[in-house]
Amino acid sequence: AQSVTQLDSQVPVFEEAPVELRCNYSSSVSVYLFWYVQYPNQGLQLLLKYLSGSTLVKGINGFEAEFNKSQTSFHLRKPSVHISDTAEYFCALSGAGSYQLTFGKGTKLSVIP
Amino acid sequence: GAGVSQTPSNKVTEKGKYVELRCDPISGHTALYWYRQSLGQGPEFLIYFQGTGAADDSGLPNDRFFAVRPEGSVSTLKIQRTERGDSAVYLCASSAEREQFFGPGTRLTVL
Repeated sequence: AQSVTQLDSQVPVFEEAPVELRCNYSSSVSVYLFWYVQYPNQGLQLLLKYLSGSTLVKGINGFEAEFNKSQTSFHLRKPSVHISDTAEYFCALSGAGSYQLTFGKGTKLSVIP
Repeated sequence: GAGVSQTPSNKVTEKGKYVELRCDPISGHTALYWYRQSLGQGPEFLIYFQGTGAADDSGLPNDRFFAVRPEGSVSTLKIQRTERGDSAVYLCASSAEREQFFGPGTRLTVL
């Protein structure tokens, strides 16, 4: 069985401040990890992915994440947020040998002017 | 190119009715997925197609739910005898490799 835990359901942060959205996972097999963003009334858009190789992955809009196998984490970071980053962020994984995604419950990021 | 499209964008129906939700994947993508997103939750996997066949339907909640992809492109998710608990946003995604591209979803409301 696989699971994804996003401990923070809501994260408020001031504009231009740094942010970290936490994601931990559980899986008995090796995993592929993803972060998706969902703007209000829109579909899911891929921010970044870890498939193999370097554990630090960079994505769109200045976001990056680090895969930490020993801590089973894949936290998302951005050094300076903008108002336009206000959205809901979902961490997801797929396990080796399967293709469907298992999602966390999401973290709502609110950027305060 | 065109992304994943889903129709209708909104569907309101009455308890007990039958509904069909359509997904048009990105051209050339052999894999197609259906997910369901309830309010305040992350998407939950329903079914995965590779080509025309359902490779994994373990996420379908019960036998009222069924999906087809007869020509390996467009897919239809069918829900019989709808219940109020079926109200959710139904998401479709397609992929060529590991990265899945999502459509905007169909918001289903069962009254």
